Amino acid sequence: SQQGEEDPQALSIQEGENATMNCSYKTSINNLQWYRQNSGRGLVHLILIRSNEREKHSGRLRVTLDTSKKSSSLLITASRAADTASYFCATGWMDSSYKLIFGSGTRLLVRP
Amino acid sequence: DAGVIQSPRHEVTEMGQEVTLRCKPISGHDYLFWYRQTMMRGLELLIYFNNNVPIDDSGMPEDRFSAKMPNASFSTLKIQPSEPRDSAVYFCASSRTEGSNQPQHFGDGTRLSIL
Repeated sequence: SQQGEEDPQALSIQEGENATMNCSYKTSINNLQWYRQNSGRGLVHLILIRSNEREKHSGRLRVTLDTSKKSSSLLITASRAADTASYFCATGWMDSSYKLIFGSGTRLLVRP
Repeated sequence: DAGVIQSPRHEVTEMGQEVTLRCKPISGHDYLFWYRQTMMRGLELLIYFNNNVPIDDSGMPEDRFSAKMPNASFSTLKIQPSEPRDSAVYFCASSRTEGSNQPQHFGDGTRLSIL
């Protein structure tokens, strides 16, 4: 089964609103990454958070990690229509720094 | 900088034919990954290489699938014979080896349809 599971599966918001996506995983990790995928394109890396970090920011993105709950969240503030995409979390296992397991993704629609 | 380059972007072929997907990783990246994406199963890791050597092929679905990396700038994923259930988008990704926790850089994929 997949390591990471995103919630919700789909999210529709108005431009300017904030979007929050959650990811849960099952086993111990050494890092968690978030990726974006636009329709018909490959995945693009957004942000990486290590297991000893609790929060990280990058522009309008804020990621939190709670290893005790085995969960992470991605917050996109002041959303734009261009943020419309699928968002995936990916976990790096403790026994493999280079192998990532991807969740099923959240489809975000930002309405203009 | 050039990203990961995959070819072809689209492939439509008949069941039983051999299919070869190609990937050029980012120069200087030591790791190369092949993934398959479908609606039902999401994004699955098929195989990955380090310095052109296959490290983990546990995700390769069956013997009909094979992957090679003859040099640092080229990899192929071959399906022979192809079956309709192989229809999916296949992605190649690469990453560096400067410590652990490196992000992966993806190509735009090959959309494969087996009729």
